[in-house]
Amino acid sequence: ETGVTQTPRHLVMGMTNKKSLKCEQHLGHNAMYWYKQSAKKPLELMFVYSLEERVENNSVPSRFSPECPNSSHLFLHLHTLQPEDSALYLCASSQGTGGPNTGELFFGEGSRLTVL
Amino acid sequence: AQSVAQPEDQVNVAEGNPLTVKCTYSVSGNPYLFWYVQYPNRGLQFLLKYITGDNLVKGSYGFEAEFNKSQTSFHLKKPSALVSDSALYFCAVRDIWSGGYQKVTFGIGTKLQVIP
Repeated sequence: ETGVTQTPRHLVMGMTNKKSLKCEQHLGHNAMYWYKQSAKKPLELMFVYSLEERVENNSVPSRFSPECPNSSHLFLHLHTLQPEDSALYLCASSQGTGGPNTGELFFGEGSRLTVL
Repeated sequence: AQSVAQPEDQVNVAEGNPLTVKCTYSVSGNPYLFWYVQYPNRGLQFLLKYITGDNLVKGSYGFEAEFNKSQTSFHLKKPSALVSDSALYFCAVRDIWSGGYQKVTFGIGTKLQVIP
C-alpha cells in the first residue's frame, strides 16, 4: 500500500461518544498534519507533528486530542464533540528539508465526520 | 502573516476552451506557491509548484501556472479544458520553513465546472 491512508472514511457519532480517526503514511515522511475542511472555509490546520513531536497546535478545542506514536501513524481522538465539528478531516504528510518534493503535502482521502 | 486569496467561488468554462483560475498571495519573504486539486469525496492532490526560476510552471494533467511577482499572483491555466477537470482547486503558499515541516496556508478554493 502506498501514499496516505485514512480510516474510517465515514463516521457518524453522537455528542457523548468517543471515537478515533487513524492516518498512516507509507512515504517515509517525517511530518504529519491534521486539517479540518468545512464548506466555504479555508482549510484549517489543526495539528502538526514533526519527528513525532507536536510542533503546532492551532487553538484547537481540547475535545480533539492528537496522538503520534511513530513517524508513520497519526491519530485524532474525538470526545464530546459538537454538531459544528462535522467536517472532512484530512491527514497529510511531508518530507523534511530539501529534496524534489520540497513544500509538497501528500493528503489522505479524508474522514467525513458527522456529529449528531 | 502569509495569506492567499482566490477571488472566484466558481469558474465555468466550456469544454475545449482555455481556463484560468485566479490566485493572489501575500507573504513577507520569497514565496513557495502551490496548486492542489480536490475531486469529490477525495483528498487534495498536488498539481504544481513554484519555488524559484522560470515564472511559468508546468504541472500534472496539462495544467500550468504563471508566477507574477509584481502583481503577487499565481494563476492556474490550461489551454483546453476537459470535463474531467471539474473539481475544487486550491491555491496555497508557504513562506516559512518551520523547523522540519511545511507551514502552508490554503485559499478557500475555487470550484471549476467544465461544461460539455
